[in-house]
Amino acid sequence: QLQLQESGPGLVKPSETLSLTCTVSGGSISSSGYYWGWVRQPPGKGLEWVGSIYYSGTTYYNPSLESRVTISVDTSKNHFSLKLTSVIAADSAIYYCARHDCSSGRCKYFDYWGQGTLVTVSS
Amino acid sequence: DIQMTQSPSSLSASVGDRVTITCQASQDITNYLNWYQQKPGKAPKLLIYDASNLETGVPSRFSGSGSGTDFTFAISSLQPEDIATYYCQQYDTLWTFGQGTNVEIK
Repeated sequence: QLQLQESGPGLVKPSETLSLTCTVSGGSISSSGYYWGWVRQPPGKGLEWVGSIYYSGTTYYNPSLESRVTISVDTSKNHFSLKLTSVIAADSAIYYCARHDCSSGRCKYFDYWGQGTLVTVSS
Repeated sequence: DIQMTQSPSSLSASVGDRVTITCQASQDITNYLNWYQQKPGKAPKLLIYDASNLETGVPSRFSGSGSGTDFTFAISSLQPEDIATYYCQQYDTLWTFGQGTNVEIK
């Protein structure tokens, strides 16, 4: 069974960089047809797609965050990572990593999710 | 950007009631729409993909319909375990979620 697990600091200071890693187990991050993505959810609010990456390194980013977001992948460690620079309080959220099913040729849905990790931006 | 507008934002219904949620896209997305269920403290779970296809293992009381800009999600007979927030998500151009509909038991 595929499992995803987020890890990283739960507290980040304003203007600093948020860094999270998602470790994939029970399957290979290099499987063709699947991207790997980040979705965030501010406390009590809705879901926002942050970005997605293929094992080759191809990325897609939410245009509203693109200037501050970098997603990378390490196939040797079977994990992918998120960096969000110059964070503000509004970046406080539960950050989920998820598998993005693109096996039909179009990236459709997120079918496997991590449990989520809460990141708070505060001094 | 494609905006997704869900309504209502919350609803309260009795066990056994039929519940419907609508999702409107800001432009034509054909049938490129999914529905998720999120229970408190949990990650979202995919229920419906391609507007009307039931994900494997999802009870048949859940259904979806629509195309173009207007979509509907339904629970034919509300069960206590269906208490959750439901989100639509388009995948025509990048990926955008609706703001969610909180379903409660009356």
